[in-house]
Amino acid sequence: SQKIEQNSEALNIQEGKTATLTCNYTNYSPAYLQWYRQDPGRGPVFLLLIRENEKEKRKERLKVTFDTTLKQSLFHITASQPADSATYLCALVHGSQGNLIFGKGTKLSVKP
Amino acid sequence: GAVVSQHPSWVICKSGTSVKIECRSLDFQATTMFWYRQFPKQSLMLMATSNEGSKATYEQGVEKDKFLINHASLTLSTLTVTSAHPEDSSFYICSEIAGGTDTQYFGPGTRLTVL
Repeated sequence: SQKIEQNSEALNIQEGKTATLTCNYTNYSPAYLQWYRQDPGRGPVFLLLIRENEKEKRKERLKVTFDTTLKQSLFHITASQPADSATYLCALVHGSQGNLIFGKGTKLSVKP
Repeated sequence: GAVVSQHPSWVICKSGTSVKIECRSLDFQATTMFWYRQFPKQSLMLMATSNEGSKATYEQGVEKDKFLINHASLTLSTLTVTSAHPEDSSFYICSEIAGGTDTQYFGPGTRLTVL
């Protein structure tokens, strides 16, 4: 069956360092993958979308890679700040209407 | 990005009552909206896909007679939880796909607590 795993439930890092979050999937060939940020009690906020023919995408301090051979996406936040503390969700498109399947998320804590 | 609102943001109800949650697209017409549910420390799970003017498509294991979805206009989809039970307590979130893109934008969510 299809499976999405975000291998770290929680990640603690020091301010200024680069945070790297991992998303692995199996039995699946998504056309694109998205990363979202979710704060407690709030809906997810879209961050980046990367397609299967794209290796890397950047937006300000964020960088996403997509390796369809390894079936893995990496999400990086450089020069991390305490305000980056949140849960980050990986989501893969499934179905013709754009339905998303989500990972459980990684809770990132950036300490000052 | 697209702006999606939900109402109410939270609701507490008694077991056996019905609760309606509204999802509005504020800046463009959404022919398709999605309803998700999220239990504490769990991932978002798709419940159903709501299509304007037609019946919703429910995911396996989601009771369509219990979770009534109506998408009567291009800017409004509603989810009604009928005969709610404590196990229905959860965070319900709707989303839409911005026109011409593959990006899905989410509402702020509705916290339902059934006593």
